[in-house]
Amino acid sequence: GQQVMQIPQYQHVQEGEDFTTYCNSSTTLSNIQWYKQRPGGHPVFLIQLVKSGEVKKQKRLTFQFGEAKKNSSLHITATQTTDVGTYFCAGWNTNAGKSTFGDGTTLTVKP
Amino acid sequence: GAGVSQSPSNKVTEKGKDVELRCDPISGHTALYWYRQRLGQGLEFLIYFQGNSAPDKSGLPSDRFSAERTGESVSTLTIQRTQQEDSAVYLCASSEGQGVIYEQYFGPGTRLTVT
Repeated sequence: GQQVMQIPQYQHVQEGEDFTTYCNSSTTLSNIQWYKQRPGGHPVFLIQLVKSGEVKKQKRLTFQFGEAKKNSSLHITATQTTDVGTYFCAGWNTNAGKSTFGDGTTLTVKP
Repeated sequence: GAGVSQSPSNKVTEKGKDVELRCDPISGHTALYWYRQRLGQGLEFLIYFQGNSAPDKSGLPSDRFSAERTGESVSTLTIQRTQQEDSAVYLCASSEGQGVIYEQYFGPGTRLTVT
């Protein structure tokens, strides 16, 4: 079945450093969604990418969808302590008829 | 407007007892999902409903787990004869539909502890 893998599993950065998490699917995706889960909270939708090669920005966050629609990345510029949490990607597979979540990347930021 | 709500927020039960977890989705959302999240782990898909039917039950870990949804609204996840490995946060999410463009709105979860 479809697998969605995220790397790294954990990332510790100093405040002000950049951060990137990568999401890779074993199959072509119709879309990719990104969610953020703060410690003790529940996942909250951040953004959705649909088009091949699409790039979207939200302030310091940059999201990319690969040309082959099998991978995606989330890049945070100049991390802040408010960025801590676990970032999940979720890919929609038309054949399977559902989304599959990656295992997430947990970001900690040292002030 | 109101988001997804789940009850109870916390549940402590003894091994072997049955538990019932409830999810109230956002009004009008036809798709509803259940996930399990163990401490420090990712989201484990359990089951989803489109309306009142469950096209995909592939994620249910064993026959001790069952779920139902009535009136295209509230859903209950039942775990029979609970085991310690069932301890986790159970998250419910809903979306406007089942398809490529719909984001999922998550509830706060039910933290289940089996002693």
